[in-house]
Amino acid sequence: GAVVSQHPSWVICKSGTSVKIECRSLDFQATTMFWYRQFPKQSLMLMATSNEGSKATYEQGVEKDKFLINHASLTLSTLTVTSAHPEDSSFYICSARASRTDTQYFGPGTRLTVL
Amino acid sequence: AQKVTQAQTEISVVEKEDVTLDCVYETRDTTYYLFWYKQPPSGELVFLIRRNSFDEQNEISGRYSWNFQKSTSSFNFTITASQVVDSAVYFCALSEPSTDSWGKLQFGAGTQVVVTP
Repeated sequence: GAVVSQHPSWVICKSGTSVKIECRSLDFQATTMFWYRQFPKQSLMLMATSNEGSKATYEQGVEKDKFLINHASLTLSTLTVTSAHPEDSSFYICSARASRTDTQYFGPGTRLTVL
Repeated sequence: AQKVTQAQTEISVVEKEDVTLDCVYETRDTTYYLFWYKQPPSGELVFLIRRNSFDEQNEISGRYSWNFQKSTSSFNFTITASQVVDSAVYFCALSEPSTDSWGKLQFGAGTQVVVTP
């Protein structure tokens, strides 16, 4: 089946630094990718919808200047957490919607810990 | 407003028991998709099923079965003869095809299933 990768799988950083997370669709093209955030023992909450070649659409309450999303190609979207703080520590999961089949595939997630 | 409700926070069963997970959804769209995902301790979401709103047939896949009832806006999931490997958090999700949200998944709170030997 279709595979979506995320890199890194986990990252620990100091407060105030920026962290970039990559989401790649390995064997299919994805015009749309989604970024979700999951705090411990909670559900997944959509942060933003990323469309190739255009600006991301952010959900209410998500700071677009803090969570920068770039979808420069049909197989890659990146999420940059700028000036990370401990409250940004979370599990970040991306998904990619296959252009041909409209099916959505999830990445394995990235665990971010901000000290 | 919560669009997908999974009222059961945690269900504990002994191996070989059946377990049913409830999911109630809310939408004004006539066309929509419902999903179930499994999230084991590793964190990676495992896709289980996608059902469109026009297909009310119940489905069975091995030990898994789903009961979709539009009249009650429910999409319940049953694991028959549970096994320890079924221990995970299970999420129900809804996708509504309005212009700006097609493909976005709205997840329920999840139900933790604990299967003990």
